[in-house]
Amino acid sequence: QKEVEQNSGPLSVPEGAIASLNCTYSDRGSQSFFWYRQYSGKSPELIMSIYSNGDKEDGRFTAQLNKASQYVSLLIRDSQPSDSATYLCAVTLRQAGTALIFGKGTTLSVSS
Amino acid sequence: DVKVTQSSRYLVKRTGEKVFLECVQDMDHENMFWYRQDPGLGLRLIYFSYDVKMKEKGDIPEGYSVSREKKERFSLILESASTNQTSMYLCASSWTGGENTEAFFGQGTRLTVV
Repeated sequence: QKEVEQNSGPLSVPEGAIASLNCTYSDRGSQSFFWYRQYSGKSPELIMSIYSNGDKEDGRFTAQLNKASQYVSLLIRDSQPSDSATYLCAVTLRQAGTALIFGKGTTLSVSS
Repeated sequence: DVKVTQSSRYLVKRTGEKVFLECVQDMDHENMFWYRQDPGLGLRLIYFSYDVKMKEKGDIPEGYSVSREKKERFSLILESASTNQTSMYLCASSWTGGENTEAFFGQGTRLTVV
C-alpha cells in the first residue's frame, strides 16, 4: 500500500514567522512531489512541485526533497493570515498507469 | 490556463438512484482522476484513467464505476447511491511523464444522498 503521511496539525504560527510542513512517503520509486493548498470549501491548488533532491524556492515558499530519507517538506517564510489553509502533500511515480496519492493534509493557522 | 470542469457544484439525490458525475478537461491530459474528500480522511482516490477506455481502481472503488470514452471526459457513476456516499467529489487531470505532471482540479461536486 503506497502511503503519504503528514501531521494533521493544526500548526499554529504567528504572522511573520516561518511555517514548516512535513511529509513522508512509502514508495521509494516515487519521482514527482507536489504541495497543494486548499482553503475551506475550495479545490486544491498547486503551490510547488519538486522532482530532484535539494531545495526549490518560489517567492515565500521553499520545497525541500530528500529521496534517501523519503521526505519532502514545505517552508513558508513571513507567514501571513491568508496562508491559513490545509496543505496537501502529493506523490506520483510519473509513469503511465500510476496514481497520484495524497496525504491527509496539515492545517495551518497564522495568527495576526 | 488549464480548465477542469465538473458538471455540477451541488447535487442532491435519493438513496438507490443511479448518479452520474461528469468531468471535462481542455488540456489534452492523458490522466484523469476521481477523488472523494471527507473531513479527517483527506483525498481518497476512487478511480483513475491513463488513456481512453483505460481505468484503474484506486483505494475505494466499491460502489462506483467510471467511463472514459473520449480523452477529455471522465465520468464517475454511482450505481445505486447510498447515504455513505454523501461527500465532496473532486476530479483532476494531468500529463504523464516529464516534469509537468502536476494535477489540476475541478471545482468539486458536493453530493448529498438522502
